[in-house]
Amino acid sequence: EDQVTQSPEALRLQEGESSSLNCSYTVSGLRGLFWYRQDPGKGPEFLFTLYSAGEEKEKERLKATLTKKESFLHITAPKPEDSATYLCAVRGGSNYKLTFGKGTLLTVNP
Amino acid sequence: DADVTQTPRNRITKTGKRIMLECSQTKGHDRMYWYRQDPGLGLQLIYYSFDVKDINKGEISDGYSVSRQAQAKFSLSLESAIPNQTALYFCATSDRNSGGGYNEQFFGPGTRLTVL
Repeated sequence: EDQVTQSPEALRLQEGESSSLNCSYTVSGLRGLFWYRQDPGKGPEFLFTLYSAGEEKEKERLKATLTKKESFLHITAPKPEDSATYLCAVRGGSNYKLTFGKGTLLTVNP
Repeated sequence: DADVTQTPRNRITKTGKRIMLECSQTKGHDRMYWYRQDPGLGLQLIYYSFDVKDINKGEISDGYSVSRQAQAKFSLSLESAIPNQTALYFCATSDRNSGGGYNEQFFGPGTRLTVL
């Protein structure tokens, strides 16, 4: 059974204070690791897909990296508008189902 | 205009009532999904559909049914709602990639359902 564990559950940063969110996973035959951003009361918004260890993707202040056991979402010089819950999900050998972690609630204070 | 829309956005109902949540998409994707989200539990897959004639149960299908009326429409029904079905419900879509697999899923805005 595919499993995803995200840490920390919550993270509070000051504006400009860089940090990283972790997503540890167990999957049989990784077919993709996905990062989403979710604002309160809204649907998850797609950020990145990573397919193989060593792959990196960037978007504005966010950078996602992937190893064989975990992924990191690095946030550089965050702004208050980066405050959201960040979700990690994996697709394994079944090729249809996404297994989601519980998310990390990020709060960036001005 | 939103690519994935859900109606209603909020619904309060009573135990035992039948409820239908609707999802429409303009992305042209063949695969559609229904998830529920509960605080502290993450997103759980209820049903998914490869196309109009292909519907499959997810992790937590008990108490739910679905209908794929067209490629662009996928409805979720609660035949007899109960309080522990109070949750956020999301519809999502995805497309096939060039390698035969499936790309990322795109989510609708959600329906907040409260069962009293």
